[in-house]
This record gives sequence, structure tokens and C-alpha cells, in this order.
Amino acid sequence: GAVVSQHPSRVICKSGTSVKIECRSLDFQATTMFWYRQFPKQSLMLMATSNEGSKATYEQGVEKDKFLINHASLTLSTLTVTSAHPEDSSFYICSARDSTAEQFFGPGTRLTVL
Amino acid sequence: GENVEQHPSTLSVQEGDSAVIKCTYSDSASNYFPWYKQELGKRPQLIIDIRSNVGEKKDQRIAVTLNKTAKHFSLHITETQPEDSAVYFCAASNGNQFYFGTGTSLTVIP
Repeated sequence: GAVVSQHPSRVICKSGTSVKIECRSLDFQATTMFWYRQFPKQSLMLMATSNEGSKATYEQGVEKDKFLINHASLTLSTLTVTSAHPEDSSFYICSARDSTAEQFFGPGTRLTVL
Repeated sequence: GENVEQHPSTLSVQEGDSAVIKCTYSDSASNYFPWYKQELGKRPQLIIDIRSNVGEKKDQRIAVTLNKTAKHFSLHITETQPEDSAVYFCAASNGNQFYFGTGTSLTVIP
């Protein structure tokens, strides 16, 4: 299957700082990427859908000014958690969709806000 | 938006027995239904999927059935093995967003 990378895999930051997470499709062009948040032992919660060259579509309850998403190219989408707080600590996973509509997940980023 | 429900939340079976996980969805526009297996600390991996123009699909020990009228789909794992132990998620997509079920933690007892 297609490969999606995510960087960094783990990040620890102080409260109030911003953190950027990158999601890349390595061997295919992804017109659509998705960002999910997963709490321990819980399901993946869709945060936003990112389309290349346009503004992201955020799910209800997700603050677009706090979770900035940029999809500048067909292989890269970034999620920036601005002014992070301890409650933002979570596992963030991106996925990219290929032309067949199948989606491939990145390995995830474990964010810990102190 | 779409609402995907998944049952059971936990499931324990003896090695060699079958396991069945069921999901329902609410949006009739959903037309793609993948199933993912997620091991602890790892990314979800697609194990099988089905599209709305098909009622059943099988891949070795794994099968998925879809009832569009009732808006439910199920995952069937036969001859379970300890390595099948993981969390399984169903999902529904209308071609744009994907919405996941709440997950089923499957334990296969040797």
C-alpha cells in the first residue's frame, strides 16, 4: 500500500507554545488529507479535512484558529496546534486518500503539553 | 453528519472460534465502508473494505457484509488466532470525510 509519513512522532512542549505536525504522502499524490485525534482506548475523531490548495473543512467543535491546517502541496499537509494547553495532549494521526478513495494513515504524533 | 455506531466494545473469543463485529451508519450517502485493525501505539491498518454496490466481500479468514437498506455492515473473522488480538474500527465514507466507529477491542484467548 501507499506510504504516509508523519513528523515528529513524539513532541513535548510547554503550555502556551505552538507545535507543528507534518503529514506527507511519500509515493502518491493526495488531494485530500485528514487529521484525527485519538484519546487512549478511544476511537479516531475526525478533526478536519484538508484539500490541496483550499481551506480545510473543520468538524463541529474543532477550533480552526487553534488547529491551523495547511495543505500547500499534493504531498504535504501540516497541523499547527497553537497556544497548546495540557488538554491538547493527545495522539494526532493524519491520513491521505488516494484516487481509489482508500485512505492510508500516518504513524501518528504523540503530543504532550506540560 | 454521519453517525457510526459499533458493537461490541470488547470481545473475547477462544482461539479458533469466530468473531463478529457490527456497525451501523446513518447517512444514506455513505458508499465506502473500510475496516481497520489498530495495534497498541500503532497506526490503523486497512484489513478489508466494501463499497455500496457489493453485499459481501471475503479475503481469506476475513469477510465483510453490507446491508444498505438497514444501514449496517459487519466484520467476520473466522478461525481466530492470537495475533488477531487488536482494536478494530469500522468506518463510513461518502467519498469526502471518513467517520469511525467507537472501536472493538478483540482478545483471542490461546
